[in-house]
Amino acid sequence: EAGVAQSPRYKIIEKRQSVAFWCNPISGHATLYWYQQILGQGPKLLIQFQNNGVVDDSQLPKDRFSAERLKGVDSTLKIQPAKLEDSAVYLCASSLETGDYEQYFGPGTRLTVT
Amino acid sequence: GQSLEQPSEVTAVEGAIVQINCTYQTSGFYGLSWYQQHDGGAPTFLSYNALDGLEETGRFSSFLSRSDSYGYLLLQELQMKDSASYFCAVTGGGNKLTFGTGTQLKVEL
Repeated sequence: EAGVAQSPRYKIIEKRQSVAFWCNPISGHATLYWYQQILGQGPKLLIQFQNNGVVDDSQLPKDRFSAERLKGVDSTLKIQPAKLEDSAVYLCASSLETGDYEQYFGPGTRLTVT
Repeated sequence: GQSLEQPSEVTAVEGAIVQINCTYQTSGFYGLSWYQQHDGGAPTFLSYNALDGLEETGRFSSFLSRSDSYGYLLLQELQMKDSASYFCAVTGGGNKLTFGTGTQLKVEL
């Protein structure tokens, strides 16, 4: 069974530029999550999708971050414009259903904003 | 809101037993999970406790006391490959997972 795929693995941009991350969850997983992990901290949930609908985006900085999961499969997270404090690893995870306690994480995208 | 506390770092020798504690404050509680993350790697699920008591999976065990808002992860027969960060995480209201700040475990020879 293929795991959660993410790309790119690394990205370096200047502040005020835009960037997009892509995630393909495990086949058949209805729920998809985007987390932000700042160095030395635990992952923080940004947004949670159930199929192509948003379940929770309460911690997503909506003035600069957006995410979509149009066909209920893969997803894109965008930052525009980026700030220095956005430097972090962006992790995508999936689970069979919302409420499943076991989430499967992808390798993440390490973003550096200079 | 949710807050979780765990030690920032623990050091132990190969073959030993180590316990990583986690205390939490939460509005709404469904269960406590543990994840392992090696440097540069993805978090991987280790265990989940919804009810009080001990759950054992091989060398790893996890304990929960809901009345004390407390849990721990017990690692036995430590191996060098167990050197990693360990996160406790609460499934709370809205089935949202909130992670602690993580405990870095260093296993020494």
